[in-house]
Amino acid sequence: DVKVTQSSRYLVKRTGEKVFLECVQDMDHENMFWYRQDPGLGLRLIYFSYDVKMKEKGDIPEGYSVSREKKERFSLILESASTNQTSMYLCASIMTGRDSPLHFGNGTRLTVT
Amino acid sequence: GESVGLHLPTLSVQEGDNSIINCAYSNSASDYFIWYKQESGKGPQFIIDIRSNMDKRQGQRVTVLLNKTVKHLSLQIAATQPGDSAVYFCAEIMGSWGKFQFGAGTQVVVTP
Repeated sequence: DVKVTQSSRYLVKRTGEKVFLECVQDMDHENMFWYRQDPGLGLRLIYFSYDVKMKEKGDIPEGYSVSREKKERFSLILESASTNQTSMYLCASIMTGRDSPLHFGNGTRLTVT
Repeated sequence: GESVGLHLPTLSVQEGDNSIINCAYSNSASDYFIWYKQESGKGPQFIIDIRSNMDKRQGQRVTVLLNKTVKHLSLQIAATQPGDSAVYFCAEIMGSWGKFQFGAGTQVVVTP
């Protein structure tokens, strides 16, 4: 079974802090994703990566950056956290090829005060 | 069905009854569809998928139906159990693997 592990389940940060959300997958998947999930809005794609050191902007990249130094690890960075970034953050991975489901981590609930 | 606004639609089901959760997808070119289950405090969990060349697919206690004419997807859960209480949402994928589009979800509440 694919395991996608997010390092923190809950985080509370102050406005202006730099925040790192870490994600590790153990299935040698090339492709990794960061989503945020807000009530009634569904999942929205922030960034994704299809290979080490490669990254692509998703639908809502503003205020975020990412890092993929190793294949198994994909980090989401909030350079200067703001209250509107309070959300549930979900990491996911998928093997290359068609018709495969995304595998998600358990999420990090971030509160910015 | 899919939500509009901040509140998820809720489906209340009696234990033992069958549940039907609906999803209207947006893109007629979408060719792969997935249902996910998300329990409180957890990440989404894959339930079942279906390709656009199929109308129906069955799993263990779950059936997914695809109606491409009206761009409608449904998930049927047989003999609903308390452990089925969760948010269920659909995902559509058009073409390449990166283009997932997710519905906002339906909250299923199983009552004894």
